[in-house]
Amino acid sequence: GESVGLHLPTLSVQEGDNSIINCAYSNSASDYFIWYKQESGKGPQFIIDIRSNMDKRQGQRVTVLLNKTVKHLSLQIAATQPGDSAVYFCAEKNDYKLSFGAGTTVTVRA
Amino acid sequence: DTAVSQTPKYLVTQMGNDKSIKCEQNLGHDTMYWYKQDSKKFLKIMFSYNNKELIINETVPNRFSPKSPDKAHLNLHINSLELGDSAVYFCASSQMGGMNTEAFFGQGTRLTVV
Repeated sequence: GESVGLHLPTLSVQEGDNSIINCAYSNSASDYFIWYKQESGKGPQFIIDIRSNMDKRQGQRVTVLLNKTVKHLSLQIAATQPGDSAVYFCAEKNDYKLSFGAGTTVTVRA
Repeated sequence: DTAVSQTPKYLVTQMGNDKSIKCEQNLGHDTMYWYKQDSKKFLKIMFSYNNKELIINETVPNRFSPKSPDKAHLNLHINSLELGDSAVYFCASSQMGGMNTEAFFGQGTRLTVV
């Protein structure tokens, strides 16, 4: 499953499929980007980050892609599991400000 | 061993009251934040403090007054509470000096104004 466009509030994905969550950031001067996962009743938790001098970074089952030309960030989750159901946020850092995009709610179907 | 802890977790109060939320981090970070999350899950930065100094104040009403007694603490005091203040408030910390790190968040304080 994939979220497209500037912001899609929800993404429904079949268990085992790959998920792609997209994010457009606003400030071309931002030098650090982070993806967060927020489960119900909890604070946002770090998933993966990427610095502006990179265009791709991989973690465990997650990959972040950064396209500075169009100010676009994406999070790919491989083999999505029920525990991946949550709200996902991208965040950009510029100076002392860490700004969040609107979240995408990911629901994993069994 | 909680990295960022905030209290209380829940706060229900009447309009017009004054309340405080406390936050402490044991990560040795130099920067702390307050965020407000509304019912649509949008996370909006309110304040940012670096080494106890206010760096960012995102056009938050004067009724909100943060206080940082030291680098490990950032408290939020709210005067004359209004219905629109109902939200979840998150405290966070990060290291801005030198190599950046991600922000670590507390569990949130759900404020309900009735």
